[in-house]
Amino acid sequence: GEDVEQSLFLSVREGDSSVINCTYTDSSSTYLYWYKQEPGAGLQLLTYIFSNMDMKQDQRLTVLLNKKDKHLSLRIADTQTGDSAIYFCAETSTGNQFYFGTGTSLTVIP
Amino acid sequence: EAGVAQSPRYKIIEKRQSVAFWCNPISGHATLYWYQQILGQGPKLLIQFQNNGVVDDSQLPKDRFSAERLKGVDSTLKIQPAKLEDSAVYLCASSATGGGYEQYFGPGTRLTVT
Repeated sequence: GEDVEQSLFLSVREGDSSVINCTYTDSSSTYLYWYKQEPGAGLQLLTYIFSNMDMKQDQRLTVLLNKKDKHLSLRIADTQTGDSAIYFCAETSTGNQFYFGTGTSLTVIP
Repeated sequence: EAGVAQSPRYKIIEKRQSVAFWCNPISGHATLYWYQQILGQGPKLLIQFQNNGVVDDSQLPKDRFSAERLKGVDSTLKIQPAKLEDSAVYLCASSATGGGYEQYFGPGTRLTVT
């Protein structure tokens, strides 16, 4: 299958910006996603971006896509303690088979 | 709108036993997915249904895993017999279309095989 890689851990102070990075190998990816998973819960879709876009902004969230380098990032502005969770990036080229990263555990320090 | 429902939330069984998980997707969602999430990893797709037909089951270990969605609504995933390495969270998701960019996940069933 395709590889989707993320760093495992990130710690930030409350009020700072968080940047979570993801790299993928599938050059034919059409949709790329960011999900949030809180303890004991399923995955919550935060945002997604089409492969023909470079950037998408949604309130405190900014997604940047560098298709040439196959690099996706999620920036969370003004990070709050409620943002502490595991964040997964995922991609699909077919709309059927989805490939998820291993997740980045974000810890927000008050 | 009610979300994706799954039951049970937790299950502990011994190896070689059987287990079944149930999922009820969001009303009207044609596409249903089962994922396996092993601790410390991202979800891995096991099977995808479009209505009551299988779209993709390439990563389903068919010697022990089976799934059905007989009436195109709720679905059951079964493991028989279970192995220790099946310990994981089993997530169900649904989407209105097969394009998949709006998947909604249930809370998952945490399976422990001893």
